[in-house]
This record gives sequence, C-alpha cells and structure tokens, in this order.
Amino acid sequence: DVKVTQSSRYLVKRTGEKVFLECVQDMDHENMFWYRQDPGLGLRLIYFSYDVKMKEKGDIPEGYSVSREKKERFSLILESASTNQTSMYLCASSFPSAGDPNYGYTFGSGTRLTVV
Amino acid sequence: GQQVMQIPQYQHVQEGEDFTTYCNSSTTLSNIQWYKQRPGGHPVFLIQLVKSGEVKKQKRLTFQFGEAKKNSSLHITATQTTDVGTYFCAISGGYQKVTFGTGTKLQVIP
Repeated sequence: DVKVTQSSRYLVKRTGEKVFLECVQDMDHENMFWYRQDPGLGLRLIYFSYDVKMKEKGDIPEGYSVSREKKERFSLILESASTNQTSMYLCASSFPSAGDPNYGYTFGSGTRLTVV
Repeated sequence: GQQVMQIPQYQHVQEGEDFTTYCNSSTTLSNIQWYKQRPGGHPVFLIQLVKSGEVKKQKRLTFQFGEAKKNSSLHITATQTTDVGTYFCAISGGYQKVTFGTGTKLQVIP
C-alpha cells in the first residue's frame, strides 16, 4: 500500500521555536507539496518541490522554508514559530503528469501543530 | 493564479436523498480533480476529469466536466452515512501545482 508518512500527528511548540515537519513518501513521486488547512480557508499551498533540491513558493510561503535533499523526503521548516501558524499541515506527493486521468495527490495523515 | 468557486459550502441531507456539489471557474480548465476528506482525516483523491463533457461514475458517485471546461459537478445518488465528509474540487496549474476549492461539507442525517 503506497504511503505518504508525516512524522508527527500532533505537535505543540512554543513561540519562537524552530519547527521541523517531516514527510516521507514511498511511491517514487517527483512532486511533493506542503499545504496548511484552516477552517473557512480550505487548503492553501505553502511550498512545493518537483525534484530533489528544487523548491517553489506556493501561495503562502512567508514564515516557512523547505528542504528536499532526497527524493522521498520533503521537510517543512518554521523558522520562528508564531501563534498564527497553528494549523493542520498536510504533505502530499504526485507523479508529474497532470494529463493522466489517474493522476492525483496522495496525502499524508497530517500534523496538527499548536504554537503556544 | 487560477481560482475555482465551489458551492454550496454546507449541505445537510436525509439519508437516501441525492446530493450535488458544483465547481465553477471563470477560465477554461485543463482538468479538474475531486477529493473527499472524512472528518478527522486527510483528502483522498477520487477522480480526475480531462475531456470536455466528460462523465464518469464510481458506484453512486457521478462526476461531470462541462462542455466549456469551466465547471464540474459531483452528484451522489441515495446518500449513505458513509458519504459524510468534505468534498473538494481542485484544478492544476504549472508544475502540477493544484489549487483546491473551498469544499462542500456534507452531513447525512440517518
């Protein structure tokens, strides 16, 4: 069974801490993504990567950075956590071809981060 | 970037009733995807539509892509309590970056 695994299901961090959220996929997918999900705001793209060491800003990259040193792993970094970064963080991966009818994202189970 | 409007935001139905959610875009779409997120869960890919006027079925779920490729719908026939969740449409842009609609939250009353 193919998987996207996020390292923590729940996380509580203090304001100002540097936070690492890890995501690993075992499907040999080229593309990986980080979203945050907030009530009333839906899923918003933070960063994505279409290859090792490559990264692209999404719609809300401020306060975040990412790292992709290996194809299977995509890390989201909160440089200095703030309370407005309390959210559900979802990692996803996909193959490159959006024209394939079977193309779609595979999501991890999410990390619920609370910044206090 | 491209945006997609999804309606309704919420829908409560009696078990056995039908349900439809709609996605609309002001621009022509190359494709549209549909996802389901159960309460407390993560989005799960259901289907992608790529052709104008395309209709696809998955058991009680019927997906349609408009002739002009600017709108899409998901219809559930005879809802069951297992259909509860939020249904998202999503559109892809460059680098297969996907933008999600705001979702329709479906509640099924037994």
